[in-house]
Amino acid sequence: GQQLNQSPQSMFIQEGEDVSMNCTSSSIFNTWLWYKQDPGEGPVLLIALYKAGELTSNGRLTAQFGITRKDSFLNISASIPSDVGIYFCAGLPYSGGGADGLTFGKGTHLIIQP
Amino acid sequence: DAGVIQSPRHEVTEMGQEVTLRCKPISGHNSLFWYRQTMMRGLELLIYFNNNVPIDDSGMPEDRFSAKMPNASFSTLKIQPSEPRDSAVYFCASSVHRGQDEKLFFGSGTQLSVL
Repeated sequence: GQQLNQSPQSMFIQEGEDVSMNCTSSSIFNTWLWYKQDPGEGPVLLIALYKAGELTSNGRLTAQFGITRKDSFLNISASIPSDVGIYFCAGLPYSGGGADGLTFGKGTHLIIQP
Repeated sequence: DAGVIQSPRHEVTEMGQEVTLRCKPISGHNSLFWYRQTMMRGLELLIYFNNNVPIDDSGMPEDRFSAKMPNASFSTLKIQPSEPRDSAVYFCASSVHRGQDEKLFFGSGTQLSVL
């Protein structure tokens, strides 16, 4: 089946730093989603991307749909303590479909040191 | 909106015991999914339902696992008998409608520990 390689696996940063993470695949995806999981909770959708090259922001978060359709990137600017958690990418090989086709990356653990 | 509601939040049981996890999806959502999360394997889709009908259970690891959705507002995931390797966080998620929207809404999960 399709696999998503998410990197880095974990990040230790200082509060106020910018964060970058990415997700790559050997096959094409037509929809990319980014989720965040707070400790002890379920993942929550942050950003959805539907077009190659698309750049979408949600507050301090910015995500991009790679032009090759095989990758996606998530950036967090000026990190704050509540950004701590696990960030997951997820991809769909088609557009306008159901969530049953989603493939999830293994997540990037973000840890912020005071 | 109350979101996806799962119970219990935590379950500790002994090997061989039956475990039942419960889920109430978001009202109006027609698709329901059960996922398992472990450090080694990440999020794994176990089974999903559309309009209360199981569509794909290929992710269910063994016959010890079974899932039901008797109506649009309730689903269960049962493990009988449970084994230590079943220890994981189990998530239920729902979405609006298969074929229309890919956005998943997750519950808070059930942390299962099998001793």
